[in-house]
Amino acid sequence: DVVMTQSPLSLPVTLGQPASISCRSSQSLVYSDGNTYLNWFQQRPGQSPRRLIYKVSNRDSGVPDRFSGSGSGTDFTLKISRVEAEDVGVYYCMQGTHWPFTFGPGTTVDIK
Amino acid sequence: QLVESGGGLVHPGGSLRLSCVMSGFTFSSYWLSWVRQAPGKGLEWVAMISVDGSKKNYVDSVEGRFTISRDNAKNSLFLQMNSLRAEDTAVYYCAREPRGLDYWGQGTLVTVSS
Repeated sequence: DVVMTQSPLSLPVTLGQPASISCRSSQSLVYSDGNTYLNWFQQRPGQSPRRLIYKVSNRDSGVPDRFSGSGSGTDFTLKISRVEAEDVGVYYCMQGTHWPFTFGPGTTVDIK
Repeated sequence: QLVESGGGLVHPGGSLRLSCVMSGFTFSSYWLSWVRQAPGKGLEWVAMISVDGSKKNYVDSVEGRFTISRDNAKNSLFLQMNSLRAEDTAVYYCAREPRGLDYWGQGTLVTVSS
């Protein structure tokens, strides 16, 4: 199975400051169709996960533009340009290239 | 909209059938999936099913015990869970489009305990 690792696992941030989460996969996530199925999800306390970014860098409808995704191959990053209070929660990366699809362990973002 | 039901308390070795009714899109055009989350833990894949139900994939931990199915006439997704174990205790989410998981339900809690 493809192992997804995230760092850091805990990220205390100051409101208005940037934040960055790294996600690495144990093998390339480029699929045979040429797409890289690396997604980012946000899970606020008590809520279902919500997708923020799909195929590395595509922001979902309604997602604030302070969220951005980048990377390629096995190395990916989610950035929040200026953290707001509503961004508190757990962030997961997930690969949808190799079955079984797998999630990273999650990064908990909270306010300092 | 994705709405799960069917969760509850079940004894080890017991069975449960989860349902997920979906609306707002062409149900029969999408692969669908189940994902679970144990209390206080991360997300774990369970299974996915093709648009016509002919292809199914399971993670090793549920293979042979769980069965994913769908009814395109009723816009419904199912998960039949047999031989349940304590480690199956989790919130189970249905979700659309396995490679992307663009829409999720609110989840239904399954508790396996004696």
